[in-house]
Amino acid sequence: QKEVEQNSGPLSVPEGAIASLNCTYSDRVSQSFFWYRQYSGKSPELIMSIYSNGDKEDGRFTAQLNKASQYVSLLIRDSQPSDSATYLCAVEGAGGGNKLTFGTGTQLKVEL
Amino acid sequence: NAGVTQTPKFQVLKTGQSMTLQCAQDMNHNSMYWYRQDPGMGLRLIYYSASEGTTDKGEVPNGYNVSRLNKREFSLRLESAAPSQTSVYFCASSEGLDHEQFFGPGTRLTVL
Repeated sequence: QKEVEQNSGPLSVPEGAIASLNCTYSDRVSQSFFWYRQYSGKSPELIMSIYSNGDKEDGRFTAQLNKASQYVSLLIRDSQPSDSATYLCAVEGAGGGNKLTFGTGTQLKVEL
Repeated sequence: NAGVTQTPKFQVLKTGQSMTLQCAQDMNHNSMYWYRQDPGMGLRLIYYSASEGTTDKGEVPNGYNVSRLNKREFSLRLESAAPSQTSVYFCASSEGLDHEQFFGPGTRLTVL
């Protein structure tokens, strides 16, 4: 089992819809969770962090964390074509030690 | 603030040549990292430095060496480049190992 797992996609959603991106992780003691967005040919950019169970909202983005079930998700409301990118989940401690382990990313395509 | 800077942006090497990728951060971060990213493989950690004066191997260290020159700078050296090292290389930094990471723009390396 990979330490941080994401569906590679592509996940296609119509413009204006809600995109739901999921990530599961293997280490029950992980405490910090991050979502990055990476446009093609660019570097990863931090968009959300979450540390406690429940939801955290920032504009059109909502991160959801469930430590008991070991998953973290990212919801993007009112999806726009500019949201088309690869979304990386990063989990502290999932790979041993306390550094971040990244998933391989989910490609999101928002279609007109 | 420039954040994390990397030089060069692009490089073409012949097999067996050596080169050093440079990385610097101006955020006074303690930890720095080198990743490579290949299609379908996600980010793979090559080496990291938890703090000034320390370096540790990551997931794929073979063929690489690093130097944490000071708190700001972390370089990656390829002593004898191989075609398998053709990749995009990202440097990142963070306040600590369990904190969010900030990425440089990347170096696109081709080894012929």
